[in-house]
Amino acid sequence: EIVMTQSPATLSVSPGEGATLSCRASQSVSSNLAWYQQKPGQPPRLLVHGASTRATGVPARVSGSGSGTEFTLTISSLQSEDSAIYYCQQYNNWPQTFGQGTKVEIK
Amino acid sequence: QAQLVESGGGLVTPGGSLRLSCAASGFTFSDYYMNWVRQAPGKGLEWISYISIDTTYTNYADSVRGRFTIFRDNAKNSLYLQMNSLRAEDTAVYYCARDRATPVTSTAGDGIDVWGQGTTVTVSS
Repeated sequence: EIVMTQSPATLSVSPGEGATLSCRASQSVSSNLAWYQQKPGQPPRLLVHGASTRATGVPARVSGSGSGTEFTLTISSLQSEDSAIYYCQQYNNWPQTFGQGTKVEIK
Repeated sequence: QAQLVESGGGLVTPGGSLRLSCAASGFTFSDYYMNWVRQAPGKGLEWISYISIDTTYTNYADSVRGRFTIFRDNAKNSLYLQMNSLRAEDTAVYYCARDRATPVTSTAGDGIDVWGQGTTVTVSS
């Protein structure tokens, strides 16, 4: 099973600042990686698939990059609505696996 | 717009069974591969099962293989999860989730683009 490790566990950012979230795979997943945002009491929402393709309706200030084992989700100009837990997921190999999540807090 | 609505969750004693249902609307259900994903209280996401368009291919997480069965009825636009031999560690919110995979997808799916609101399963005596 491919283990996905996210860092940091928690990120506290002031409004208007940017945030960089990392996700590392225990072996290469090529570009078969997605990012999700989950707010309390809600299901996850797809932000990025294919490591760098934004999903429909996701603002341009959200961007994904990376391939192989190292991936990054960058959110610029953070707003209060960005407060959430962010998960990465690999779907290169079975079983699909998720990272443990990064909690983004807005100061 | 695409919508998934789960039902069938509840309280069940260890060793018991439960069947979850997911009603799809707003899209052609028979064109999409589907998943079940769960989230234990206060924990992260865990993928547990996947089914192909025509049901010829299914896959399961080791944690549920042999106890859970995924199936679908395209005529009823519905996805199901039969859960047997339930354990306390199966307590979670269960999400029905649409995959972006197509018949030419060679990977383990292609990302999940539509999620239901979830149904809660509690396994406790």
